[in-house]
Amino acid sequence: GEDVEQSLFLSVREGDSSVINCTYTDSSSTYLYWYKQEPGAGLQLLTYIFSNMDMKQDQRLTVLLNKKDKHLSLRIADTQTGDSAIYFCAELTDKLIFGTGTRLQVFP
Amino acid sequence: DAGVIQSPRHEVTEMGQEVTLRCKPISGHDYLFWYRQTMMRGLELLIYFNNNVPIDDSGMPEDRFSAKMPNASFSTLKIQPSEPRDSAVYFCASSRGRLFDNEQFFGPGTRLTVL
Repeated sequence: GEDVEQSLFLSVREGDSSVINCTYTDSSSTYLYWYKQEPGAGLQLLTYIFSNMDMKQDQRLTVLLNKKDKHLSLRIADTQTGDSAIYFCAELTDKLIFGTGTRLQVFP
Repeated sequence: DAGVIQSPRHEVTEMGQEVTLRCKPISGHDYLFWYRQTMMRGLELLIYFNNNVPIDDSGMPEDRFSAKMPNASFSTLKIQPSEPRDSAVYFCASSRGRLFDNEQFFGPGTRLTVL
């Protein structure tokens, strides 16, 4: 079945790197996404990766995809307090399936 | 464009009452999605429309839930009668172009509390 799993919480110090992990089950996924949700707001697309790619870098964001293990990660370099939010990964099969979200807390 | 607009932002109601959530998608977007977010189940797709026509409502929990899109600029999600387990944040999102291949823009959500 379709299932996307993430750890619930991550706490990092400002300036360090954050790595948020995600596992999915459907090998037919075509795209995988990372969304960010700030308090009281809707989800905002951060980045995405096509399933035939291993890595994508976009400024401070690096997405790594291990298709064999069905593992996706989002690395945020030089994490800032403004990065504090909930991060959702999502896989695209015939619809978007979202993970449960990882709450990232950045402390000074 | 103002983005996806949802109203109300917060709704508190008593069990058994009818609740109507409203959404105005981004102009020119031909897909509209309703999601529900809870701590236990995360973000779930309830239903989506293409050109005002419901395409997939398999995520709608039960007959108490109904959604309509009378025109390209307005959609409603209705719960009748409401129950405490319906308490959640309901998001509307819209996109343009091929289904799911293009970015979905989310509204700010409606936080529903059913007492």
